[in-house]
Formats: sequence, C-alpha cells, structure tokens
Amino acid sequence: DSGVTQTPKHLITATGQRVTLRCSPRSGDLSVYWYQQSLDQGLQFLIQYYNGEERAKGNILERFSAQQFPDLHSELNLSSLELGDSALYFCASSPNRDSYGYTFGSGTRLTVV
Amino acid sequence: AQSVTQLGSHVSVSEGALVLLRCNYSSSVPPYLFWYVQYPNQGLQLLLKYTSAATLVKGINGFEAEFKKSETSFHLTKPSAHMSDAAEYFCAVSPANTGNQFYFGTGTSLTVIP
Repeated sequence: DSGVTQTPKHLITATGQRVTLRCSPRSGDLSVYWYQQSLDQGLQFLIQYYNGEERAKGNILERFSAQQFPDLHSELNLSSLELGDSALYFCASSPNRDSYGYTFGSGTRLTVV
Repeated sequence: AQSVTQLGSHVSVSEGALVLLRCNYSSSVPPYLFWYVQYPNQGLQLLLKYTSAATLVKGINGFEAEFKKSETSFHLTKPSAHMSDAAEYFCAVSPANTGNQFYFGTGTSLTVIP
C-alpha cells in the first residue's frame, strides 16, 4: 500500500456522461498530481494542486477539471466523456510544492462505452 | 523542452541474466531523472532517482542506474534478473528548477524467461 488512495478502482460509463475520481494523498503530503495513462498517449501529466491551489497544468482538456479540498483530498471531474477518454487515471502525492519522486496511487480505470 | 526516449518497448532476458533498460533524455535545464516500475493492475513504484548527487544511483530490488551527462543517458541495470522483475518500466525526467512535473517515457515491458 503506497498510502495514496484512489476511488473507485474501476468505472464504466457511457459517452456524454460525467464522472468524478477521488484521491486521498499520503498522510502529510500537500501536493496532489493527476496523470492519465492510455495506450496511445502513454503517461500524461494533467494537473497539480498544492495545499488547495492549482500549481501546474499539463495536457488537461477543458472538459476536465480538478480541485483540492481543505482536507487535501482531490477530485478529478471528467465531463462530456468520449470513447477516447478511456484510460487509467493516476493520482500521486508529494510532501511539498517541488518534490522529486512522488508516490502514486493504484489508479482508477475508466472505461467509456 | 524536456523529453525521454526509452529504446525498446519490449525486452526479454533469461532468469539470472543482466537486465539493461535504456533511457535517453533531453532537457533544457539540469534534469532530475527517475525510474519507476509498474506491475500489472498497480500504480507506479519509484525504483530510484538521480537528483544531482552521485551519478551512480542504487535503487530498490537490486536495480541501479548511472547518469551520464555526455551521453544524456540514464540506463537501468540489474546484474541478475528474477522472475519477479517482469513488469513495465518507465523512465522520467523532471526539470530541476520546477520539480513538479514529470515527463515519462513510453515504457519498456520486461519479460523474464525461466
């Protein structure tokens, strides 16, 4: 167990729908990162939050959004889902803003049908 | 710009043989470099990292990697492969002046033949 908890582990939904993925960081970690892993794109950085504030943004679609709450858990919201959004979504956490070698959760596998 | 190239998407070795997984990077600033391992249906686990200290980095499970600036490489090695080493391996680079975003390679799938 890495200490980073992601729920749900699996999610199957239809095109056009909206889903929310949840991440609880390792105890004491202030930064949360979201990554998407797909067969064609590999591992892509989506977004980082540090202590409730957005810190860095990567290849995140406008249909996607995220937030980090006061208790430091984070949610990734995916809307108007398309077949191509099917992927593994990983959350990672690190102790501070600029940290090296963060800890990954086991991921949420999203299947859009 | 930062990027990582992993040569060989699939590598097969015999049990007990040397494991060599190749990683080359490009970075506009001094990089920090990492190797992660991913077992089936699991998240990524940090094997080792280079953060501008010793160029030869030792990690978990007997793996090590050497940072060679002149070759822009950070190849992962293990002297003797075990069956349990079969997994997907990812090399990643992070710019040293930010440290908050990783750029991952496309991964190398390691098969260990008994």
